[in-house]
Amino acid sequence: DAGVIQSPRHEVTEMGQEVTLRCKPISGHNSLFWYRQTMMRGLELLIYFNNNVPIDDSGMPEDRFSAKMPNASFSTLKIQPSEPRDSAVYFCASRESGQLAFFGQGTRLTVV
Amino acid sequence: AQKVTQAQTEISVVEKEDVTLDCVYETRDTTYYLFWYKQPPSGELVFLIRRNSFDEQNEISGRYSWNFQKSTSSFNFTITASQVVDSAVYFCALSEARGATNKLIFGTGTLLAVQP
Repeated sequence: DAGVIQSPRHEVTEMGQEVTLRCKPISGHNSLFWYRQTMMRGLELLIYFNNNVPIDDSGMPEDRFSAKMPNASFSTLKIQPSEPRDSAVYFCASRESGQLAFFGQGTRLTVV
Repeated sequence: AQKVTQAQTEISVVEKEDVTLDCVYETRDTTYYLFWYKQPPSGELVFLIRRNSFDEQNEISGRYSWNFQKSTSSFNFTITASQVVDSAVYFCALSEARGATNKLIFGTGTLLAVQP
């Protein structure tokens, strides 16, 4: 298995533009997580899905952020419109219930 | 509510020193998992260990050891004879073991710098 795959690895965009981050979880994993990592706040859980259903989105910072999981093998995190303070590394992770969480390599987002 | 506290923001040691990274957690659940992850400068997150709340045995893996104490809600991580390659950010994390509520909550991380 190739592990959790995130794309793009790096994204530079202008303020106000829409940004879409993508994640392909490990096949067979039933939970998917989106995390944001910043110097100030460390790793923050944004949202997680169980069996493609959003369970807890309380970490999503504001309405500009949205996440979808249309099927078991794909999820997106969208920011619209993006702002400079959204600059961070965004990690996707997947796991089976009670098992290890495996992380993607992250998407480094820079909003200028 | 669940919470993980890593009070040490940064630690700097000289190679071959032992170093302990602290982790204190809060949960109302009786069944949960604790984790440590390493994030080297390259940025990826590397799993180190998972501990079930019912298993308080300490664990040793090479130069790494973990001390789980339910009485103090702590899950500390010790690196013996540190090496420059140990330089990284280390995250402690907590997860409930119940079915649907499966989220992994991280501490803010401890940056470990091992000087040659």
